Parts: sequence; C-alpha cells; structure tokens
Amino acid sequence: DAGVTQSPTHLIKTRGQQVTLRCSPKSGHDTVSWYQQALGQGPQFIFQYYEEEERQRGNFPDRFSGHQFPNYSSELNVNALLLGDSALYLCASRLSGGAEGEQYFGPGTRLTVT
Amino acid sequence: QQQVKQSPQSLIVQKGGISIINCAYENTAFDYFPWYQQFPGKGPALLIAIRPDVSEKKEGRFTISFNKSAKQFSLHIMDSQPGDSATYFCAASIGIYNQGGKLIFGQGTELSVKP
Repeated sequence: DAGVTQSPTHLIKTRGQQVTLRCSPKSGHDTVSWYQQALGQGPQFIFQYYEEEERQRGNFPDRFSGHQFPNYSSELNVNALLLGDSALYLCASRLSGGAEGEQYFGPGTRLTVT
Repeated sequence: QQQVKQSPQSLIVQKGGISIINCAYENTAFDYFPWYQQFPGKGPALLIAIRPDVSEKKEGRFTISFNKSAKQFSLHIMDSQPGDSATYFCAASIGIYNQGGKLIFGQGTELSVKP
C-alpha cells in the first residue's frame, strides 16, 4: 500500500518564475491538503482539495493555486516566486468523513528560490 | 484564537527517561489533536491522536494526556531512546471527521535523547 508520494524531491527556481509541485495521495484517500514548512517552523496550511474543488484555504496569496484531478492526485502551483517562498512543501491526504480522521504526509518537495 | 502554543522549544533527555512536551490552545471548537514526529529532510509522521472526549490515550511508549478544562494536552514518551531524537509537533483541527481537516501546528520541539 503506497503512502503519499510527491515530486520532485528538490527544486531550484529563480525569483519571478513559476513552479508546479505534484502529489499522489495514499491509496483510498480522496482529500488532499498542501502545507508550507519554513526552516525551523511548523507546517502552515495552504489549501485543501476534495472532489476536485478547493474546500478550505489558509492565509496565502492568490499566487498559490492548486488543482485536483479525478484520480485524487493534486498539483500546487506558485507564480511569481519570491525568495520567501523557499520552504519544504508538504502534501497530506485523508479520507473525507473517515472515522479516525488521520492525515498522512508525504516526504515533501524542497523548493529553493534564488 | 487559531494558535496552538507548544513548549519547550528543545528538550534533552537521557536514554530511558521520560520526555514530556506540552501544548495549549484557545479555540474550544478544535475536535482533533494529533502529534507528529519529523526527522530531518522527511515529512511529518503521525504518532498518535486524541479526541476531546477522551482524557488519555496510550499507544506503546507514547501517551497523550488531554485536559479539556485547561485547554492543554501533552505527549509523554516513556523509556526514551536515541532513535526518538526528532522534532515533534502538536496540532489541532476543526471538523476532521467531516469536511474540515485543516491542521494548525505548534512551533515544534526538538528532542535529543542522549545514550
């Protein structure tokens, strides 16, 4: 049973560029959330996708957008990259309405903006 | 009101000792409180979680104690081992059992277990 997978593992971009990160949820999960984790900090919620729609959003600008596909996989897009966008981007999946509520994280994508 | 405050920021414990990490929250609407363990360069791994209608939950060497009236919860790691050395995050969520699930994390505790 594969867990949450993310690609790529590492990425280096230049200020002003755009980036797309990808996530495949754990088998059987239908809800995907994205988090940003700056060095030495706890993860910060970006948004959550369910049934191909954004269901919840954190305090992030519109430069951050996402998409969920019919197979429940998801993409995170960040436009006009800033130096401050350098972070570990984490994807988490869960089964909506599941009795236990567990949310499982992938290994993350380390984004460096220069 | 959406914050979760975690302490201490760092903790050093001898092998075999008890590690205790504390968290406090304000929003009484939170209905799910998980703890995550994170090793350098890895994603957070779910350790144990509790609902507010339970005062204690134990899984192996890990125990969550929950005090609803004080709005505090803590993680106890019994018989701490060097392999437990990692960063630990508490978190809280509203609506995890239906259409919610946004996790709000504490600031993290870096645990070092000395042999």
